[in-house]
Amino acid sequence: GESVGLHLPTLSVQEGDNSIINCAYSNSASDYFIWYKQESGKGPQFIIDIRSNMDKRQGQRVTVLLNKTVKHLSLQIAATQPGDSAVYFCAEINNQGGKLIFGQGTELSVKP
Amino acid sequence: EPEVTQTPSHQVTQMGQEVILRCVPISNHLYFYWYRQILGQKVEFLVSFYNNEISEKSEIFDDQFSVERPDGSNFTLKIRSTKLEDSAMYFCASSEEFGGAGELFFGEGSRLTVL
Repeated sequence: GESVGLHLPTLSVQEGDNSIINCAYSNSASDYFIWYKQESGKGPQFIIDIRSNMDKRQGQRVTVLLNKTVKHLSLQIAATQPGDSAVYFCAEINNQGGKLIFGQGTELSVKP
Repeated sequence: EPEVTQTPSHQVTQMGQEVILRCVPISNHLYFYWYRQILGQKVEFLVSFYNNEISEKSEIFDDQFSVERPDGSNFTLKIRSTKLEDSAMYFCASSEEFGGAGELFFGEGSRLTVL
């Protein structure tokens, strides 16, 4: 069946370091992959997305990498700041519909 | 910046009671969704809605659940007879296009506690 999952439930980094959050997916029919940030008590907030025909996309301080061969998605955050502390979810949309399938989430803690 | 708004932010109800969660999607959006998140777990799709009808629903969205867009602005989720396991954060979302990954905007959620 289809599933999106994360390798690590928690990640702790020092302020200023780079963070890498990983995600594995199993549905090769997915067309879009998205990273969401969820702060405590708030709804998911879009960070960056990538289409299945790309392998890398960069935003402001964030980069998403897609490796379709091993069905792996990663989010890199450069110069991590305390405001980056949150739970990060990967999600996918398959070609048949508009529903997002979310992964389990990784909690990122940034130490000052 | 336009946003999805949800009310109430928190509702406590007794098991077996009916609950209505309300959402005001972004005004020019055409596709509406409900997701839920049980505490500490991942966000799960419930239902999508377009052109006044359900486009897709998950296994979670059984006969106890219904959605409605009664007046062209509000989008509601009704749980007819709440169960303890319905306790969760319920997120409304909207998008301008179908399957719009980057354009899916979430509200801040309504926390439902069933006692």
